[in-house]
Amino acid sequence: DVKVTQSSRYLVKRTGEKVFLECVQDMDHENMFWYRQDPGLGLRLIYFSYDVKMKEKGDIPEGYSVSREKKERFSLILESASTNQTSMYLCASTLDGSFYGYTFGSGTRLTVV
Amino acid sequence: TQLLEQSPQFLSIQEGENLTVYCNSSSVFSSLQWYRQEPGEGPVLLVTVVTGGEVKKLKRLTFQFGDARKDSSLHITAAQPGDTGLYLCAGEVGDYKLSFGAGTTVTVRA
Repeated sequence: DVKVTQSSRYLVKRTGEKVFLECVQDMDHENMFWYRQDPGLGLRLIYFSYDVKMKEKGDIPEGYSVSREKKERFSLILESASTNQTSMYLCASTLDGSFYGYTFGSGTRLTVV
Repeated sequence: TQLLEQSPQFLSIQEGENLTVYCNSSSVFSSLQWYRQEPGEGPVLLVTVVTGGEVKKLKRLTFQFGDARKDSSLHITAAQPGDTGLYLCAGEVGDYKLSFGAGTTVTVRA
């Protein structure tokens, strides 16, 4: 089975800190995604990547950046964390398009205080 | 504004009852997926529907894709406590991207 691993289940950070969320997948998937999930809003796409060193903005990229230096790893960076970035962050990957579905990690619940 | 609207937002039923969750849009989708998410975990794919009018069954779960490929429904027969979770529909919006609905939280009481 494909496994998507997010490095932390829970994080508490202070306002203004730089925050790194790491995601690793073990099945050679080309496409990787970062979403945030908030009650009543569903999943909203932050950034995605189709290949190493490639990145595309999603629907809500403001305040975030990403890095994909290796195929298996996709990192989400909060340049200067703010309280409105408190959320559940989900990483996902897919082999060959969305038809086959995404495989999600277990999520990182980030609290910014 | 959500591209995909799910209803109801919350559903609480007794074990053994049936339930239906709806996913509607004004947009046409080439495919639509349903996921279930349990607390503390990421969503897990249940099914992908592709053809207008398609009906897929997964044990007690029945998924239907509307003829015009703008809407879908999930019906659970004789719900069990293990069916409890957040049900999400998602439509392909191009370039391998999915747009998700806000979800329906289903609670099945024993």
